[in-house]
Formats: sequence, structure tokens, C-alpha cells
Amino acid sequence: QKEVEQNSGPLSVPEGAIASLNCTYSDRGSQSFFWYRQYSGKSPELIMSIYSNGDQEDGRFTAQLNKASQYVSLLIRDSQPSDSATYLCAVNPTDSWGKLQFGAGTQVVVTP
Amino acid sequence: GAVVSQHPSWVICKSGTSVKIECRSLDFQATTMFWYRQFPKQSLMLMATSNEGSKATYEQGVEKDKFLINHASLTLSTLTVTSAHPEDSSFYICSARSTIYGYTFGSGTRLTVV
Repeated sequence: QKEVEQNSGPLSVPEGAIASLNCTYSDRGSQSFFWYRQYSGKSPELIMSIYSNGDQEDGRFTAQLNKASQYVSLLIRDSQPSDSATYLCAVNPTDSWGKLQFGAGTQVVVTP
Repeated sequence: GAVVSQHPSWVICKSGTSVKIECRSLDFQATTMFWYRQFPKQSLMLMATSNEGSKATYEQGVEKDKFLINHASLTLSTLTVTSAHPEDSSFYICSARSTIYGYTFGSGTRLTVV
């Protein structure tokens, strides 16, 4: 069973601080990795996608991928109350025919 | 960007009736459509994968006769929950995959069976 693991949280972060979220995956051959944000009662929205080792930055968000260690992380700088949501890590395992496998999600709460 | 229109956004139905959920990709063609179900405080669980013009592939444990999927065109896929029961109450989300836009999620359908 191919797995994607995340800490469920909640992760409490003071406003303006950095939120650090981690995700590990079991399928070493996975090639595509995604971070989604999901507000309560809403559908997931894509924040970042990353495909190669290293860091990828988009505004206040930075995704980091380490395929050797099989983990992918997301940093949120200058956290805002509007960042309070559940963050889902998704992986495209090998031989998955394009299916995404989701982690359970990490709830982030940004406190004023 | 790519948009997937999902309807209805919420529906309440009586136990034993059927409900149809529609997902339509706007301005792009979806080579594959994925259907997910999400229970409260849980992650998305893939139910089935469908490609235009072919039968859907269901994940283990998902009843294909209960959750009917039709993917008649490259822009439209429907999920019909047949003989719905209270345990089918959940948040159903579709996702369209295209070579240009990757994965695009619909806005979700909250189904409540009473």
C-alpha cells in the first residue's frame, strides 16, 4: 500500500511567523508532488507543484523536495490569518495512471 | 485558468432515491476525470477514475453499481449515487486532468441523505 503521511496538527502559528509542514511518501518512484490548501467545506486549491529536488518558491510559499529521503515540505512565510486551513500533500505514485494519493492533511491555525 | 464547474453544490435527498452530480470542464478538454469522496475531518479518498468513452475504473471497496459514472464527452462527467442511504452522506469532489492544466478540482457537492 503506497502511503502519504502528514502530521494532522493542528499546527498553531503566530501571525507573521513561518509555518513549516512536512510530508513523507512511501513510493520511491513518485515523480510529481503537490500541496493543496483546503478551507472547511470547500474544495482543495493548488498552492504548489514540485517535480525535482530542491526548493521552489512562489510568493510566500516555498516547497522543498528531497527524493532521496522521500519527503516534501511546505513553508509559509509571514503567515496570515487567511492561511488558516488544512494543507493536503498529494503524490503521483508510479504506475498510478495519473491518480493522486493524498495525505490526511495538516490543519494550520494562524493566531493574531 | 482552468475551471471545472460542479453541480449541484449541495443536495438533500431521501433515503432510497438517486442523486446525479455533474462535472463540466470549461474551455478545456479533460482526458481523465477523478471522483473523490471526503468525510468530515478526513482526507480525499479516490472513488473512481474515468476516461472519455470508456468504463470507469473503481477503487477497491467502491461499489460500481451504486456509484454510476458516465464520461460521455471530454468536457462532461457525471456521478450518480443510486439508492442513497445516510451513510452515503459526504462531500463529493471531481477533478479533471488535462495535459495543459494538470489537475483541476470542482467546487464539490455536499450530499445529505435523510
